[in-house]
Amino acid sequence: KNEVEQSPQNLTAQEGEFITINCSYSVGISALHWLQQHPGGGIVSLFMLSSGKKKHGRLIATINIQEKHSSLHITASHPRDSAVYICAVSFMIKAAGNKLTFGGGTRVLVKP
Amino acid sequence: DTGVSQDPRHKITKRGQNVTFRCDPISEHNRLYWYRQTLGQGPEFLTYFQNEAQLEKSRLLSDRFSAERPKGSFSTLEIQRTEQGDSAMYLCASSFFGSGETQYFGPGTRLLVL
Repeated sequence: KNEVEQSPQNLTAQEGEFITINCSYSVGISALHWLQQHPGGGIVSLFMLSSGKKKHGRLIATINIQEKHSSLHITASHPRDSAVYICAVSFMIKAAGNKLTFGGGTRVLVKP
Repeated sequence: DTGVSQDPRHKITKRGQNVTFRCDPISEHNRLYWYRQTLGQGPEFLTYFQNEAQLEKSRLLSDRFSAERPKGSFSTLEIQRTEQGDSAMYLCASSFFGSGETQYFGPGTRLLVL
């Protein structure tokens, strides 16, 4: 069982719609990351969170530490937002370094 | 370009051959991570270095896999006697320990074992 679960696995939206991707994890973490991966493989870090909320342009990431849950929101979605969005966490285990444990990803397709 | 680079970007090999991949991290980054991603899945941790020291290896990393970071700068990942199950994208990431540890990813090396 993966320690990081994402939902949905796939999401199709019309341009302009509000998109939400969810991530839940099983044990205490030191940080949660939201990553974007475009076709061809390149991964870009969008956010790193340990509490609260962060916003960058049309992207908003929130985390609830007590509920072990995070959401990534895309407002006014655009076809260029089409990508795989991956949630990853680093756990509060000293020996673990800050290696990331990844969710399975959410494939987002925004249609014009 | 001062990002993380990986070489080669693509590699096709026959089963049983050895392959080596290289990762050049962002120059001031002291931590370097290797991950593997199979089609349709999220990446999985393989190993990481702090400077030249290899501090952790995943149980995914069989004896056929070895990684080095000899001078604390670039790193190599070697797979000996490749198997079809080794076909995957191999991702490298680097970070500066102590700065909040955002990891910066390279473009990956896609390996296909025939």
